[in-house]
This record gives sequence, C-alpha cells and structure tokens, in this order.
Amino acid sequence: DMQMTQSPSSLSASVGDRVTVTCRASQSISSYLNWYQQKPGKAPKLLIYGASSLQSGVPSRFSGSGSGTDFTLTISSLQPEDFATYYCQQSYSTPWTFGQGTKVEIK
Amino acid sequence: EVQLVESGGGLVQPGGSLRLSCAPSGFTFSSFAMIWVRQAPVKGLEWVSYIDYTASNMWYADSVKGRFTISRDNAKNSLYLQMNSLRAEDTAVYYCARQYCINGVCRFDYWGQGTLVTVSS
Repeated sequence: DMQMTQSPSSLSASVGDRVTVTCRASQSISSYLNWYQQKPGKAPKLLIYGASSLQSGVPSRFSGSGSGTDFTLTISSLQPEDFATYYCQQSYSTPWTFGQGTKVEIK
Repeated sequence: EVQLVESGGGLVQPGGSLRLSCAPSGFTFSSFAMIWVRQAPVKGLEWVSYIDYTASNMWYADSVKGRFTISRDNAKNSLYLQMNSLRAEDTAVYYCARQYCINGVCRFDYWGQGTLVTVSS
C-alpha cells in the first residue's frame, strides 16, 4: 500500500503566520494528491485536489504544490477559522490512503 | 445544495452486524461513484470501500474485505454498508462521501456528517 507521511504532526502558529505542511508519498503518485481540512466533530472538507487545484469556495490563502513524492500545503496568512487538522490523500491507486494528519494549533 | 446524511450507527457486540445507510440529495446520485471512510476515536482517516455509479465495481480495504459489503440503490437514492462479523477495531465514525473525477483526477468532494459505530460487549 502507498504510505503517506505528513510533517510535522502538529504545529503552533499565530494568526497571520504563513504555514506549510508537507506530505511525502512512499512512491511517485504524479499529481494525484488531495488535501482536506477537518475540525473537531466535523467531517473532512476538500481544500485542494490534483496537488494544486483549489476546490470551489475555498479561500485563496490556501495553496498546494508538488508532484512525484513530495507535496506541500501552504496557508499564506493563517486565520482563526483555519485552526484544524489537515490530511493529505493519494488518489493514484487503491487502497486510497491518507496521511496521519497535521494539527494546526493556536500559539 | 449537495448533502449526504448517514444513519444506522450504534452499539453492537463483537461478532454482530450493522447496516449503515447514506441518503444523498442535491445531485444526480446515479452519476457518481461513492465511498465509505472511517475514523477511529482520536485517529486518522481510513478509506473502507468504493462502489462505482452503476454498482458494477466494488472495492474494499483489506481490513474489511469479506466482512463488509457496499451496495447502492439508485432508484431509491441510497448507499449502504453492510457490516458483519464486527470487531472492536471497527469502532469508528463512518462517513459516506462522493467521488468526483475529471480527466482521471479524482477527489472526495462532499462528505456526510458521519455515524458512530461502537463495537463492544
């Protein structure tokens, strides 16, 4: 199975900070990488698909980049509503797998 | 507005069975593949099962293969997950989600609110 490894597992940041989350695949997945945001007690929400395409309705402060095995999710200016857990997910091959999550906390 | 509403979760003893349902609205259900994803308490996300839009192809995670069965009724606008031989490690919130693919790029773009399954004696 494709292993997805995110780093860091958690981070503390302040409102207005630039935040970067990294996701590494155990083998090349081209650009078949999605990012989701999950808040406590809520369902995941799609942010980025195809490594860099912004899902409709998602603020432009979110961006994604990368291809092959290394990917990043960037929040250009962290807002109070962005404190959540972020997951990457590969859609290259089944079983579709998720990273372990990165929790973004208030500093 | 696209909505997915799961139901059927609850407390069940090890070895027991449960059937989850997912009721979609706001889109043409019969045109989309659907999936189930679960999340154990304080854990990450795990894809469980997939069914294509005609119910011709179904796939399962190794952890549930042979015990869970995904199905759909396009006439009734419903998605199901029949879970048999349940184990403690199946305890999780179960989400249904829509899979949306364009030019081979697929994502899970809408999710239900989840239904909790607890397997315990």
